Amino acid sequence: DAKTTQPTSMDCAEGRAANLPCNHSTISGNEYVYWYRQIHSQGPQYIIHGLKNNETNEMASLIITEDRKSSTLILPHATLRDTAVYYCIVRVLNSGGSNYKLTFGKGTLLTVNP
Amino acid sequence: EAQVTQNPRYLITVTGKKLTVTCSQNMNHEYMSWYRQDPGLGLRQIYYSMNVEVTDKGDVPEGYKVSRKEKRNFPLILESPSPNQTSLYFCASSFNGRNEQFFGPGTRLTVL
Repeated sequence: DAKTTQPTSMDCAEGRAANLPCNHSTISGNEYVYWYRQIHSQGPQYIIHGLKNNETNEMASLIITEDRKSSTLILPHATLRDTAVYYCIVRVLNSGGSNYKLTFGKGTLLTVNP
Repeated sequence: EAQVTQNPRYLITVTGKKLTVTCSQNMNHEYMSWYRQDPGLGLRQIYYSMNVEVTDKGDVPEGYKVSRKEKRNFPLILESPSPNQTSLYFCASSFNGRNEQFFGPGTRLTVL
């Protein structure tokens, strides 16, 4: 699976959009970009995933560059409850019946300030 | 409510005393997995299961056992716990592993 690079930490004001970047310059054609978050020692929570088109759901938007070497997770109106470590994970969608392991890096600690 | 449950949530035990951490999901998921999380090391996969009676090692399986006799349950067994197994453990499940994975609330284990 391709390696990802994320900033160690970011701050965001409550009510503003939080834009979390992720670099995955070695991503291959069949690898998807997944985002999870972990709120202080709770179980990781799935946010969104995509291949090459931009994706949006009730939690966030995922913008993937045309060359797929980087992506941005957007939380449109951050709240205090969005303070968490955000993980960008690159992985093949279907590993042919093998392990669907998620490889978590260090992630980005997003702190939403009042 | 769709969820993954783990028990116990907290456990303090002593070296060598066998223990089992249970994991159960009510979503009829085929894929289940165990991770441990340690400071500076992130989450690492211990074991996973593609379906009933199908289990395999992850990245750090030493000192652990698992079983998958029923689709909903995937217990993690520490036959002879040691202090280096002190960690935060998470169980996860997914319909087929390809899309979102649901994580349990975690079990914080301390081995003295």
